[in-house]
Amino acid sequence: QIQLVESGGGVVQPGRSLRLSCAASGFPLSNYAMHWVRQAPGKGLEWVAVIWLDGTNRYYLDSVKGRFTISSDNSKNTLYLQMNSLRAEDTAVYYCARDRSDVDIVATNIFDYWGQGTLVTVSS
Amino acid sequence: DIQMTQSPSSLSASVGDRVTITCRASHSITSHLNWYQQKPGKAPKLLIYAASSLHSGVPSRFSGSGSGTDFTLSINGLQLEDFATYYCQESYSNPLTTFGQGTKVEIK
Repeated sequence: QIQLVESGGGVVQPGRSLRLSCAASGFPLSNYAMHWVRQAPGKGLEWVAVIWLDGTNRYYLDSVKGRFTISSDNSKNTLYLQMNSLRAEDTAVYYCARDRSDVDIVATNIFDYWGQGTLVTVSS
Repeated sequence: DIQMTQSPSSLSASVGDRVTITCRASHSITSHLNWYQQKPGKAPKLLIYAASSLHSGVPSRFSGSGSGTDFTLSINGLQLEDFATYYCQESYSNPLTTFGQGTKVEIK
């Protein structure tokens, strides 16, 4: 069955870096756009980044642009989020989510499967 | 940027009730509106996409309607497992996207 498993979260000091991973199973990552969505403690959902299935088109939330990089390794069927220059306001549970469409290169931004999330805490 | 506003922020209801949650977009998003359910400590789950299409495996008591700027999620015959927080999300401003602030459905 379709499964997404995030890892790599933890406690990190402001200004440091962290890389999150999302291992996919049950489907080929290369056939889908993939997203990262985060949720600060007690708050709502916030979309962070998307990588389209061509692997070339990547888009980001304005507040993370230039600091975060989304990427994928199709040979490992794994999605990544490299987070640099972390700030306290990046503290959140980070979810990876699959885009619904496997037809077009353009993502639909409809998230049909989600991982369980990994907590990132940015604190000194 | 498109702003998404849900109402109410929370509501209390009983098992068997019909529940309606509203989502309003700051600009027309045609039918590019999706609904998710999230239970405490769990990942969100897709319920409805494209305003009114039921995601695979979602019970038929859930339904969505609307277009343009005003949308509704209805739960017809609330079940115990439906007590959760519900989020709307616009997928019109592709490649970016925005969620509503959430509506918590609690047991009366």
